[in-house]
Amino acid sequence: SQQGEEDPQALSIQEGENATMNCSYKTSINNLQWYRQNSGRGLVHLILIRSNEREKHSGRLRVTLDTSKKSSSLLITASRAADTASYFCATGGGATNKLIFGTGTLLAVQP
Amino acid sequence: DAGVIQSPRHEVTEMGQEVTLRCKPISGHDYLFWYRQTMMRGLELLIYFNNNVPIDDSGMPEDRFSAKMPNASFSTLKIQPSEPRDSAVYFCASSAGARSSPLHFGNGTRLTVT
Repeated sequence: SQQGEEDPQALSIQEGENATMNCSYKTSINNLQWYRQNSGRGLVHLILIRSNEREKHSGRLRVTLDTSKKSSSLLITASRAADTASYFCATGGGATNKLIFGTGTLLAVQP
Repeated sequence: DAGVIQSPRHEVTEMGQEVTLRCKPISGHDYLFWYRQTMMRGLELLIYFNNNVPIDDSGMPEDRFSAKMPNASFSTLKIQPSEPRDSAVYFCASSAGARSSPLHFGNGTRLTVT
């Protein structure tokens, strides 16, 4: 069964606006990662946040993690048409290297 | 760095036929993962290897599926016999070293079983 559930399933915004996607998961983790998938392509790693971190930034990306609520959010600021893609959270935990992916959010940025 | 290379990109086959998907991980990566993506079930982890040894195959749907990694630069996922419900995009990914290392994905093989 899938670990993460993303919300919303789909999001449409105008270029220049901010986009926020949320991820909830079920069990304890040691890290949470966000990936982007363009249509017809493989997933690309964006950012990783460890379970002892609360917030992380990378360029226009901001990720938060609340382990007490078992949730994370990905904020993309000043969105561009090129940000149009599906975004997935993935959780890793325990003694393995397994990453379990969420259901994804389809983001459409209108020019 | 050529990235993870998968072949073929598209495969169309008839029910009952054997299908073999291929993957070349990034050189130096010691973990290799096979995922399957469908609209209904999303991304599912099928199996992963560490140093060519299968570590967890609990996601392999049934005995019709098998995966091998004969050396550090090559892995196969085989379906025999194939069924229409196997239609999906199959991704290979590799990573280096420690737990929580990011995965590097190939562009996938889109399998259609008619």
